[in-house]
Parts: sequence; C-alpha cells; structure tokens
Amino acid sequence: GDSVTQMEGPVTLSEEAFLTINCTYTATGYPSLFWYVQYPGEGLQLLLKATKADDKGSNKGFEATYRKETTSFHLEKGSVQVSDSAVYFCAPPKEGNEKLTFGTGTRLTIIP
Amino acid sequence: GAGVSQSPSNKVTEKGKDVELRCDPISGHTALYWYRQSLGQGLEFLIYFQGNSAPDKSGLPSDRFSAERTGGSVSTLTIQRTQQEDSAVYLCASSPDSQETQYFGPGTRLLVL
Repeated sequence: GDSVTQMEGPVTLSEEAFLTINCTYTATGYPSLFWYVQYPGEGLQLLLKATKADDKGSNKGFEATYRKETTSFHLEKGSVQVSDSAVYFCAPPKEGNEKLTFGTGTRLTIIP
Repeated sequence: GAGVSQSPSNKVTEKGKDVELRCDPISGHTALYWYRQSLGQGLEFLIYFQGNSAPDKSGLPSDRFSAERTGGSVSTLTIQRTQQEDSAVYLCASSPDSQETQYFGPGTRLLVL
C-alpha cells in the first residue's frame, strides 16, 4: 500500500543554514503529496502540497518538488530561521482501503 | 470560517474509566480522521470516516477503542477501561475528501492516572 519514509530527526541547524528533509513514497499511482508542520504548542497545519508529478509546492520559503522518477518529495529551504523550529511531517493522502500512514515526523531546531 | 474543534481540550481520568472525546469537523467535509500522538512520537492513525461508507478501523489499537460519526458530521471517539498507555494527544482532522488537505483540530490531551 501507499506509504512514506521520512528522514528521522532530530535535526539541529544554525540560522540561515540550508535545510533538506528527505521524504520518499511508495504509491500505486500518483497521489497528491503533502508536508504538514506542527509548531511548538500549536496544532498540525498544512505547509505545502503538490497534486501531480513534477509539481512544486511552496510556502513560507519552503519548497518541495514531486519527483516521480525518484519517488521523492524532499522539503527544502534555502535559509532557515529560528521561527522554523517545529516538527515536520510528510504525508500521502488516503488511498482506497489502505491504512493511512504519516511519516514519523522530523523535529527541527534552529539555533540563532 | 470555523475550523475543526475538539472537546475537551484536556482530560484527566483514572485507570479503568471510560472516556469520550468529541470532534466537530469543518462543515461539508466528508472525510474525518482520528489520530493519536504520544509524547515524542509521530502520528498514529486510528480510524477514518468517508461519507456514508463503512469506517476504516484498521488503526484502532484494541477493542477498547471505538468511534462513531453521527449524521456525517460530529464524531465521538470512545476509549473504554482506559489504561495508562492510552495517555496521549488525540487529534481529529477533516478534509473535503480523501485526496485533499487535512485540517486538524487542536487535539484532546488525555492523561490516565
């Protein structure tokens, strides 16, 4: 069934560093792909999404490109800020009767 | 508009008691999900409702857990004979359908003493 494999954390970076959080997926088709974020003390919210192959989702300086040839949807940001400290989840949509699986989440800490 | 709401926000109960957690999804959303997030862990899928279809209960950890969705809207997650390992944040999410973005509620923090 559909699933994702997400880079495990925690990840600690200095402010203005380049960020990559890897996410690869297995799917029977080309489902929409999502990144969600959970800021400290807040609920989960959508960060960005891509609805078809070769699409690039972007928001708040983050980008992720849906690459079908490598079945990847890696999250990137060129210059992270302290306010980006959060837990990031890669998630596929629910397909048919398959059990929904989220990535394990990557805890990101940005130090000034 | 109003987002997903959950109640109570916090619940402390004694081991062996039953608890009910409520989720009010966004109006018109046909898909509703329950998850559990234990301290330091990722999201654990529990159950999924889509329209009038039979719910997907494949993530429920034991038969002490059950959920209903009345009238295609409000959902209640019930945990019977709670155990200490049930302590977690229980999250509810809804989406227009299974292919769309999920909108999460703030969660119910359950503590079983």
